[in-house]
Amino acid sequence: DAGVIQSPRHEVTEMGQEVTLRCKPISGHDYLFWYRQTMMRGLELLIYFNNNVPIDDSGMPEDRFSAKMPNASFSTLKIQPSEPRDSAVYFCASSQGLINEKLFFGSGTQLSVL
Amino acid sequence: AQKVTQAQTEISVVEKEDVTLDCVYETRDTTYYLFWYKQPPSGELVFLIRRNSFDEQNEISGRYSWNFQKSTSSFNFTITASQVVDSAVYFCALSEHARNQGGKLIFGQGTELSVKP
Repeated sequence: DAGVIQSPRHEVTEMGQEVTLRCKPISGHDYLFWYRQTMMRGLELLIYFNNNVPIDDSGMPEDRFSAKMPNASFSTLKIQPSEPRDSAVYFCASSQGLINEKLFFGSGTQLSVL
Repeated sequence: AQKVTQAQTEISVVEKEDVTLDCVYETRDTTYYLFWYKQPPSGELVFLIRRNSFDEQNEISGRYSWNFQKSTSSFNFTITASQVVDSAVYFCALSEHARNQGGKLIFGQGTELSVKP
């Protein structure tokens, strides 16, 4: 299997612009997670889906952030409008079957908002 | 509330030394899961191990070993005979068992291990 695929690997944008991060989970995995990594806050869970349905979005920082999973093989995380404090590495991860199974992480998207 | 503490921010050792990475956790749940992940310089997070709260047996996998002690709420990770390729940031994480918590990992701040030749 190809693993979790994220795109783009790097994104540089200007404050106020819309940013869309993309993720393709491992085929057959029931859960999909979006994490954000910053120096100050470490790794934080933003939102996760089970069978394409958002289960917990309590980690989404503001209304500027939204996530969708239109089908089992694709998810997006959108920031609109973006701000410099959104600069971080955003990881997508997926897992299979039972809860608390190990997560498989993508390579991350390094976002820089100028 | 859940919390994971990795008190060691950075550790530097010379190749072939043994090194232990500490992890202390807090949870009110009686059923929970503990994980270690490795983040090499390339950036992706790689799963190393998962333990559930009812299994306190220590585990060894090659040069890696894990010591889980519920009495002290610790889940420490030891690398024996460290190698340069072990250089990475290592994260300890906790997940509670509740139905709606599946996969919701709470990560520690990470320990950056540098192994010098």
